[in-house]
Amino acid sequence: DIQMTQSPSTLSASVGDRVIITCRASQSISNWLAWYQQKPGKAPKKLIYKASSIEVGVPPRFRGSGSGTEFTLTIDGLQPDDVATYFCQQFYSYPGNFGPGTKVEI
Amino acid sequence: EVQMLESGGGLVKPGGSLRLSCAASGFTFKTSAMSWVRRAPGKGLEWVSAVSGSSPRTYYAESVKGRFTISRDNYQNTLYLQMTNLRADDSAIYYCAKEGNYGDFDNWGQGTLVTVSS
Repeated sequence: DIQMTQSPSTLSASVGDRVIITCRASQSISNWLAWYQQKPGKAPKKLIYKASSIEVGVPPRFRGSGSGTEFTLTIDGLQPDDVATYFCQQFYSYPGNFGPGTKVEI
Repeated sequence: EVQMLESGGGLVKPGGSLRLSCAASGFTFKTSAMSWVRRAPGKGLEWVSAVSGSSPRTYYAESVKGRFTISRDNYQNTLYLQMTNLRADDSAIYYCAKEGNYGDFDNWGQGTLVTVSS
């Protein structure tokens, strides 16, 4: 199975800051990576697919990049509504493992 | 509008069984691959099981293989997860999720809570 790691596990930033979350795969997954946002008590919501394509309706301050084994999710100008846990997921092969998550606080 | 509504969660003793359901609407269910994903308290998301659309093939995480069975009723637009021999570490919120064009998860239900405790 492909293993996914994320860093940091928790980050605290101020409103307006640029936030960068890193996700790494144990082997190359090309660009078969998605990012999800999960707010407390809510279902996950897809933000980014194929590493850098933004889902319809997602604010443009969210940006995905990377390929191969290293990926980043950038939030340009953190907003209070962005408080959540963010997960990456590879869908290069079954099972589509998730990273352990990054909790973003303000 | 895509909607998925899970049900069937609850409190069960170790070794017990539960069947989760996910009623889907707003998309062509019979051709959509579907998955169950769970999140245990204080843990991350864990993919549990998947079933393809037509001519269903099934897939399981090692942690549930032999104990859980995924199935679907394409007439009732409903996804199921039969869970047997439940353990404390199966306690989690269980979400059904619809696979998108690339194998990621486009849409999620609101989740149903499973608690395994004596």
